Amino acid sequence: NAGVMQNPRHLVRRRGQEARLRCSPMKGHSHVYWYRQLPEEGLKFMVYLQKENIIDESGMPKERFSAEFPKEGPSILRIQQVVRGDSAAYFCASSDQGYYNEQFFGPGTRLTVL
Amino acid sequence: SQQGEEDPQALSIQEGENATMNCSYKTSINNLQWYRQNSGRGLVHLILIRSNEREKHSGRLRVTLDTSKKSSSLLITASRAADTASYFCATDPDSGGGADGLTFGKGTHLIIQP
Repeated sequence: NAGVMQNPRHLVRRRGQEARLRCSPMKGHSHVYWYRQLPEEGLKFMVYLQKENIIDESGMPKERFSAEFPKEGPSILRIQQVVRGDSAAYFCASSDQGYYNEQFFGPGTRLTVL
Repeated sequence: SQQGEEDPQALSIQEGENATMNCSYKTSINNLQWYRQNSGRGLVHLILIRSNEREKHSGRLRVTLDTSKKSSSLLITASRAADTASYFCATDPDSGGGADGLTFGKGTHLIIQP
């Protein structure tokens, strides 16, 4: 049973480019969460999605960031017009239920903006 | 301010000794979870303790939860070099149907010296 998959593992972008981060949840999981870990800081919740729905995006920056979890395929975290401050590790987690349940984390995508 | 805050920020002990890390939080929670992160890797879930539980064991790990003090501790007994990692506490806030994302602290960096 494969765990949470994220790709790419490392992504380098120049300022102004777009970054697309993919997350495939564990088999049977329909809840996906995205977190960002800035250097020397803890993880910060960004967004919680169920299939085709954004449940809570209270942690998402208001501009340039968007997330989706289509009926088929992985969840995508999209960052438009990246800036150096977007450089971070982005972790995806999944769970089989939304409440009171363990979240399983992927290995993360390390985004570097030059 | 952060919901989960670990203490100490860094801890260095000899192999075989016990390591204790503490976590404080501010709001009501459904559960509290501890994660480990090896350098450059994703998070690994260690243990989840629910708000109505006071103590939980898993192998060499022992977690306590004191909801009256809004604090938790993680004890690793008979430490090994492989335990060297950063340890994060994460709280699942009792937000009455709000965000299902976890709130992480900055972590405790544990170094086990051989």
